[in-house]
Amino acid sequence: GDSVTQTEGQVALSEEDFLTIHCNYSASGYPALFWYVQYPGEGPQFLFRASRDKEKGSSRGFEATYDKGTTSFHLRKASVQESDSAVYYCALSSSGSWQLIFGSGTQLTVMP
Amino acid sequence: DAAVTQKPRYLIKMKGQEAEMKCIPEKGHTAVFWYQQKQSKELKFLIYFQNQQPLDQIDMVKERFSAVCPSSSLCSLGIRTCEAEDSALYLCSSSQPGTEDAEQFFGPGTRLTVL
Repeated sequence: GDSVTQTEGQVALSEEDFLTIHCNYSASGYPALFWYVQYPGEGPQFLFRASRDKEKGSSRGFEATYDKGTTSFHLRKASVQESDSAVYYCALSSSGSWQLIFGSGTQLTVMP
Repeated sequence: DAAVTQKPRYLIKMKGQEAEMKCIPEKGHTAVFWYQQKQSKELKFLIYFQNQQPLDQIDMVKERFSAVCPSSSLCSLGIRTCEAEDSALYLCSSSQPGTEDAEQFFGPGTRLTVL
């Protein structure tokens, strides 16, 4: 079945560091790809999505580019802040399906 | 602000008891989803409603859960006989009518503990 892989379980950075969280997917066709962020005690919040090859999604300084060739949708931010500390989830929805398939999440901790 | 509401926020049940949790989707949203999240790990899809009709669900839900959306403004998820493995955060989300890449809005969840 379709799946999403996030290789980093935890990432620890200092403020103003560059962030990369890797996301690779396995699905047929052109699934829609998403990034969600979850803060403690809350449900996940939508960050952005991309639905076509080479499409870039972005929000709040975060960005990711849909790459069908490498089946990736890596999350990047040029300069992280302490307030970015949260769990980040990569997810996909397959063509013809409304459910989201989530990766295992990456806990980002940003130290002042 | 519009938001997905879930009640109760916390639920404690003994093994073998029945549990029920409710979700109020965002106004105007016709798609409602339930997910299970254990120990702050990945979210697992449970069931999806479109216009109050269940359109997709996993086998575990068919066998041990009960889920309905009696109106466009209320859905519920129940567990007929709680087991220890059901301890988790149950998240409800909703989305606007449209395509399958529509953004889902999540509630804060109901945290179920089965003793």
